[in-house]
Parts: sequence; C-alpha cells; structure tokens
Amino acid sequence: DAGITQSPRHKVTETGTPVTLRCHQTENHRYMYWYRQDPGHGLRLIHYSYGVKDTDKGEVSDGYSVSRSKTEDFLLTLESATSSQTSVYFCAISDAGGIFTDTQYFGPGTRLTVL
Amino acid sequence: AQKVTQAQTEISVVEKEDVTLDCVYETRDTTYYLFWYKQPPSGELVFLIRRNSFDEQNEISGRYSWNFQKSTSSFNFTITASQVVDSAVYFCALEETSGSRLTFGEGTQLTVNP
Repeated sequence: DAGITQSPRHKVTETGTPVTLRCHQTENHRYMYWYRQDPGHGLRLIHYSYGVKDTDKGEVSDGYSVSRSKTEDFLLTLESATSSQTSVYFCAISDAGGIFTDTQYFGPGTRLTVL
Repeated sequence: AQKVTQAQTEISVVEKEDVTLDCVYETRDTTYYLFWYKQPPSGELVFLIRRNSFDEQNEISGRYSWNFQKSTSSFNFTITASQVVDSAVYFCALEETSGSRLTFGEGTQLTVNP
C-alpha cells in the first residue's frame, strides 16, 4: 500500500471556522491531489500540486486553498467552513502526470462535518 | 470536457452470479487513461486497473475482467462468480494526458447477497 496518511480522520466544526486538513506521504511522489466525495457526484477534484509550491485548481476549488511547502505534505484549508463543505475528503498521490500519467493512490479519507 | 457515466446506480446479485458494471466515457483527447477503483464499506479507495487508450486488449485478473472498446467509448468491468466480499462501490475514472486530473463516474453500488 502507498504510504499516505490523512489527519484528522474525522472532524466536526461550526460554520465560519477555519479548518485545515493534512495529507502526508512517504513515497516521495511529485503529484498530490485533494478530492471531495459526495453522494451522487463521485469524487471531484478540488486542487492538486505538481511540485513544492506548485498548485492548480480543480473543478470545485471555490472556498478552498492549498499549500505545499514540502514534498511530503499537502494541506487543504477551508478559510471559513460552510455546511456545503460537509463531505469526505480524499488525498491522492501519483508519481507523474500529463503524458506520463501514473496511477493515483488514495489516502484513507477525512470525514468533515460542518454544523 | 471529459465525462464518465456509470448508468447503473445500484446492482444486487446473488453470490456466484456474474455481474457486469458499465462505464461510458467522453473525451476529445486521443491519448487517455481509464481506471477502475473499488470502495468497500470501510471507505478506502482501492486501485483495480489502469488501461491506456492505445491498448484495447481485454484483461483478466482472477475473477475480474475488463472489456475496453474505443468504438463505443466503453470500459466495462465483469466479476465472475461474485462473492459477498465483492460488495462495494465501484468507480470508473478517466484521465486525459492533456491534464493531470481524474474525472470519476458517480459509482455503482454492488451488493452481493449470500
């Protein structure tokens, strides 16, 4: 199994509070991703990173920001959480992208509830 | 824009039956990759298979087989002699080489009853 951990695994927070989710990998993979999973939508990409300090938006990036200061860590921040951001968040990693696409491997997920 | 459709929301079978999960995709790229992932009740996402657009050979892995047909833009997944442990949500996904992102279908919930 790919070495990917996510913290916290579960979190309950209140509307308007900031929340940061952490993804940590031990595989030294270049690419890291954040997805959210909601019923009826499958998984949707929020943001991804193709290297330290290199990030790009996915299809549902509004209300989220990311940072990657080290290869192994990719942080997802909800600046002011809303109830619509209640979801299960998955981190994924891969060793390549573009024409050298590699398989994405997923972390265990974080269940976030915004009250 | 790329799109993946899994028209079967839920499938229920009895153990030992064969079952096929459908996946239809849309893309403008000529080079792309298709994937299947399994999500058991425990919630993790397990990679099953990756296939590139130039390789239309069917693949078999134990009780699992995949039928890739570019002519119909389909990448179907068959489980032979299903088992209770196959109960899970199965996702089909597409990645275009022009962008480093996976597009997932909505998933098919497979329930295998004893």
